[in-house]
Amino acid sequence: DAGVTQSPTHLIKTRGQQVTLRCSPKSGHDTVSWYQQALGQGPQFIFQYYEEEERQRGNFPDRFSGHQFPNYSSELNVNALLLGDSALYLCASSLGLGGEQYFGPGTRLTVT
Amino acid sequence: AQTVTQSQPEMSVQEAETVTLSCTYDTSENNYYLFWYKQPPSRQMILVIRQEAYKQQNATENRFSVNFQKAAKSFSLKISDSQLGDTAMYFCAFMKHENSNYQLIWGAGTKLIIKP
Repeated sequence: DAGVTQSPTHLIKTRGQQVTLRCSPKSGHDTVSWYQQALGQGPQFIFQYYEEEERQRGNFPDRFSGHQFPNYSSELNVNALLLGDSALYLCASSLGLGGEQYFGPGTRLTVT
Repeated sequence: AQTVTQSQPEMSVQEAETVTLSCTYDTSENNYYLFWYKQPPSRQMILVIRQEAYKQQNATENRFSVNFQKAAKSFSLKISDSQLGDTAMYFCAFMKHENSNYQLIWGAGTKLIIKP
């Protein structure tokens, strides 16, 4: 039974570029949440997807957008990258909006 | 707004000792969950233990237990018989459980080092 998977593992981008991160939820899960974890800090909630809709959003600008597909996998898109977007991006899946969240290994994004 | 505070940036203990990590939170909600997550150098966030606010009994998972003081808004994690594999960042997190708002709110973390 595969857990939560994320791709890619690492990514290096230049300021102003756009990036897409991908997440496949744990088998049987239908909800995906995304978090940004800056170095040395706790994660910050970006948004949560359920039934292919964004259900909740944290305090992040519109440059951060997402999508959930019919197979429950999800993408996180970040436009016009800033140096401050450098972080570990964590995806978590759950069964339902309030279910226990299982995390993937994260994608390390470096913006130069 | 809810906040979670972990006042110990780093702790270090000898293997086999007991260690307690502190966490306080601020909320006006009555129905919520509290969590401790472990993040080893591999970066994978792993759930250690969870506590439902409506339950008075403290949660326990093998060597891990919590001291949940709802009135004081305190949620500490005790690790007994600590092992080298317990070395990791530990995060306390809060989730309110109503009005479809299920985002996790996190503390800044405590770096725990278990020395041989």
